[in-house]
Amino acid sequence: NAGVTQTPKFQVLKTGQSMTLQCAQDMNHEYMSWYRQDPGMGLRLIHYSVGAGITDQGEVPNGYNVSRSTTEDFPLRLLSAAPSQTSVYFCASSLGVQETQYFGPGTRLLVL
Amino acid sequence: DAKTTQPPSMDCAEGRAANLPCNHSTISGNEYVYWYRQIHSQGPQYIIHGLKNNETNEMASLIITEDRKSSTLILPHATLRDTAVYYCIVRVRSNDYKLSFGAGTTVTVRA
Repeated sequence: NAGVTQTPKFQVLKTGQSMTLQCAQDMNHEYMSWYRQDPGMGLRLIHYSVGAGITDQGEVPNGYNVSRSTTEDFPLRLLSAAPSQTSVYFCASSLGVQETQYFGPGTRLLVL
Repeated sequence: DAKTTQPPSMDCAEGRAANLPCNHSTISGNEYVYWYRQIHSQGPQYIIHGLKNNETNEMASLIITEDRKSSTLILPHATLRDTAVYYCIVRVRSNDYKLSFGAGTTVTVRA
């Protein structure tokens, strides 16, 4: 099993550009989520999904869109990047809402 | 979810046991104690969790006091690779998916 994979590992964007952060898992987990981590801070939940076709907002959803067309993939879209979105983004998955969450290696995003 | 308090940092000698404390005095009966760690620049890694009984796995042991107001994560034989930020999280195993990461304890294992 590859576990949770994320691409790209690093990205630089200009303000106003859009992009999609990719997340995939091969563990047949129903639950997937996106967190962001700013320097010296803990992780904050952006969006999560409880299964294909179902998504919901977390603590800091503004500026981000998600969709879940398959069990394996959960992409995060930045519609119009802003410097405040400079962060490290982690994707996580779990078998169920009460189960242990497993994290990907992260995507470092710099918005200029 | 209940708030947790951890020391900001601690050092440990390689090969010795590392004992990481966590206070969660407002924990309620249905809240679990989870431990994750984050090695520099990597994603958080699950270590262990428990409700009221002590737990052990291949990575660590979790000791929860009888009143459940505090717990200790034990890394039995710390290695340099255990240098990381360790997070103690108290969470209800319910429909709330969010994991609330605080500041954690920065553990430095020294040779």
